[in-house]
Amino acid sequence: KAGVTQTPRYLIKTRGQQVTLSCSPISGHRSVSWYQQTPGQGLQFLFEYFSETQRNKGNFPGRFSGRQFSNSRSEMNVSTLELGDSALYLCASRFSTYNEQFFGPGTRLTVL
Amino acid sequence: AQSVAQPEDQVNVAEGNPLTVKCTYSVSGNPYLFWYVQYPNRGLQFLLKYITGDNLVKGSYGFEAEFNKSQTSFHLKKPSALVSDSALYFCAVRDKENQGGKLIFGQGTELSVKP
Repeated sequence: KAGVTQTPRYLIKTRGQQVTLSCSPISGHRSVSWYQQTPGQGLQFLFEYFSETQRNKGNFPGRFSGRQFSNSRSEMNVSTLELGDSALYLCASRFSTYNEQFFGPGTRLTVL
Repeated sequence: AQSVAQPEDQVNVAEGNPLTVKCTYSVSGNPYLFWYVQYPNRGLQFLLKYITGDNLVKGSYGFEAEFNKSQTSFHLKKPSALVSDSALYFCAVRDKENQGGKLIFGQGTELSVKP
């Protein structure tokens, strides 16, 4: 099976812009979660989608949003980018509640 | 609130020696625990998990972890370290305050294996 894929792998934006990141889960996985990884804060949960519904949301401002499509692919959007949004954004998928999550390679976002 | 702690920022081991990466947790009820490894510029790779059952869990690449309920620990171990094991290791616990996929991660431990 193909793993979790994320596009693009690298992105450079300027403050105030918005960005959309994409994630394709492993075939058959209906749950997709997003995490932000930074040197200072480590790995932090953003949100999770299951069958097109947001199940959980982390402690991030409303500028961070996401959605999931009927084929389980997910996108996350960050509006009005700030310098502090520079991070590695990781997507993970899982088959069911008690299964482990499988992570994609991440999208490295740099905000200038 | 649930939390995970990795008390060592860095662990240095000689190739061929056993290695241990420490993790302690704080959760209410029974924990679901995970170990992941991250190589430079890569995502996280799943190593092993503890849900229930035997306290010694075997995982990928020769790694194992021992669940100790009384000490609230879930240390990662390997009998003989390889240079290629050098990477960043994360311990995580599933947030049980919801039924979702939120993982709470430790800060990570940098493992360095020298030849």
